[in-house]
Amino acid sequence: DTAVSQTPKYLVTQMGNDKSIKCEQNLGHDTMYWYKQDSKKFLKIMFSYNNKELIINETVPNRFSPKSPDKAHLNLHINSLELGDSAVYFCASSYQGREAFFGQGTRLTVV
Amino acid sequence: AQSVSQHNHHVILSEAASLELGCNYSYGGTVNLFWYVQYPGQHLQLLLKYFSGDPLVKGIKGFEAEFIKSKFSFNLRKPSVQWSDTAEYFCAAFSGGYQKVTFGTGTKLQVIP
Repeated sequence: DTAVSQTPKYLVTQMGNDKSIKCEQNLGHDTMYWYKQDSKKFLKIMFSYNNKELIINETVPNRFSPKSPDKAHLNLHINSLELGDSAVYFCASSYQGREAFFGQGTRLTVV
Repeated sequence: AQSVSQHNHHVILSEAASLELGCNYSYGGTVNLFWYVQYPGQHLQLLLKYFSGDPLVKGIKGFEAEFIKSKFSFNLRKPSVQWSDTAEYFCAAFSGGYQKVTFGTGTKLQVIP
């Protein structure tokens, strides 16, 4: 069983489109994250949810909107995609500050 | 603000050489510290972690790290690297005050056979 799973693994889309990435964890963790990894491999936190409540919202454009329907899911919706949004997006989860477990990543390419 | 610094951006070693990657964090309170590895095209996997207790922690694949509180450091070591250790290595810290895991900029390790 995959601990943190995100779909899709690859996403190629045109500028201006709206897309969603889904994430689910079956570890019983209370915190879920979205990270963006750019072409230089730099990992930047975007959002953090604890027990479905948004606790961290870094300086991310309003076009990015996370949604957590329950503790096991954290989805990411992106409106009006731009070329600069191309990156690998990682979902992760953790429990009370312990190690984060990462999903396989979604490679988003905006053309 | 909490930050994590990795000073080695790209390290090239021959097989069997010893490895030490530097990591420093800025937060003065209690922190949990981690090292992750990312093999090409893959996701991040945990190598080792430190919460409290013995400052010398051992992880998977022969890696270890030493927490030195006075230096705000958590350096990663391996006595003898292998070609299969070629990957990107990330140091990370979690502090309760900031409620997030902050990553360093990563160190690319290239091991030459």
